[in-house]
Amino acid sequence: GENVEQHPSTLSVQEGDSAVIKCTYSDSASNYFPWYKQELGKGPQLIIDIRSNVGEKKDQRIAVTLNKTAKHFSLHITETQPEDSAVYFCASIPPASNYQLIWGAGTKLIIKP
Amino acid sequence: DTEVTQTPKHLVMGMTNKKSLKCEQHMGHRAMYWYKQKAKKPPELMFVYSYEKLSINESVPSRFSPECPNSSLLNLHLHALQPEDSALYLCASSQEKAVEAFFGQGTRLTVV
Repeated sequence: GENVEQHPSTLSVQEGDSAVIKCTYSDSASNYFPWYKQELGKGPQLIIDIRSNVGEKKDQRIAVTLNKTAKHFSLHITETQPEDSAVYFCASIPPASNYQLIWGAGTKLIIKP
Repeated sequence: DTEVTQTPKHLVMGMTNKKSLKCEQHMGHRAMYWYKQKAKKPPELMFVYSYEKLSINESVPSRFSPECPNSSLLNLHLHALQPEDSALYLCASSQEKAVEAFFGQGTRLTVV
């Protein structure tokens, strides 16, 4: 079945710098890739997603890129701010199940002031 | 309104208690989900309701019993839980598939 690997597990960046988190998936037929941000004590919040027919999507300071050939997708956060500190999860939906999100292990992003 | 509301936010229960978790959404979503999340781990899918019918049960022990009274509400009935069931329980909803799934803030459950 589908497997999603996420790196790094922890990322510490200086405020104002950029952060990049990478995920790799195994099922080439997967076609939807969301990113969730989870702050301490809260539920996951969908921050951006991308479908397999698109290579890149941007929303203000965040962007997601998808390389279908290599089967990986990345989250890019520019001009990082303290409020970006959180755990970020990538996920995919395998074609065999419309309801099952396959999650990466998560990346704890720390923004240093 | 892109909100999924869960109550209560915190719950402490004994192993012989019966309690219920509640979830509500008013986005017209037809799929609703229960997830369990342990510390430093991604959410684990427990149940999926699609059009008010149980669609997926990920081999969850019978001490967890879901219920979908209508298209906006989802309950999780708890009975005879174990301390290892302590976790953050998350409700989510989506239009149909798990595309653009929105999560609630969760119920922090502690079993003593």
